[in-house]
Amino acid sequence: NAGVTQTPKFRVLKTGQSMTLLCAQDMNHEYMYWYRQDPGMGLRLIHYSVGEGTTAKGEVPDGYNVSRLKKQNFLLGLESAAPSQTSVYFCASSPTSVSYNEQFFGPGTRLTVL
Amino acid sequence: GQNIDQPTEMTATEGAIVQINCTYQTSGFNGLFWYQQHAGEAPTFLSYNVLDGLEEKGRFSSFLSRSKGYSYLLLKELQMKDSASYLCAVLDSNYQLIWGAGTKLIIKP
Repeated sequence: NAGVTQTPKFRVLKTGQSMTLLCAQDMNHEYMYWYRQDPGMGLRLIHYSVGEGTTAKGEVPDGYNVSRLKKQNFLLGLESAAPSQTSVYFCASSPTSVSYNEQFFGPGTRLTVL
Repeated sequence: GQNIDQPTEMTATEGAIVQINCTYQTSGFNGLFWYQQHAGEAPTFLSYNVLDGLEEKGRFSSFLSRSKGYSYLLLKELQMKDSASYLCAVLDSNYQLIWGAGTKLIIKP
């Protein structure tokens, strides 16, 4: 099993460009999450999904959109990238969000917006 | 507001013991997690506490006091590979994980 995979691993964008980050998991998990990690700050939840076809906003959703058309995939879109979106993006999945359920993380996407 | 505090950085010696503290103020509590994150890598799960007391797992132990809003991660017999950041996270009343900024642990020979 590959676990959680993310593509791409690295990307450089110019301000105003758009892109989509892809997350895939092969553990049949219901819940999936997108986080961003910035120096000196904890992981911050952008959006999450509790099942196929559902999405919800997290702590910092502005400037991002998501879709979960298939259970195993969770896409994060940036419609018009800004330098403030320079960050490391992690996708994670878990069986559910209740009680003892560790989250399994992908390797991350390092995004730079110039 | 919700807040999780951890020391930014700690240094310890190979073979020694180190305790990493975490204090939290959150809207509700449904458990506390510790994750390990090596530089440039993804976080990986270490431990979960929901009841007061000590949970031991090999060289790593995690303690929780809900009344004090306090947890610690204890690492024994430190090895060079333990050099990493240690992230404390609390599951709040909405079952959302609130993350601390992490403690960077530096192990010296």
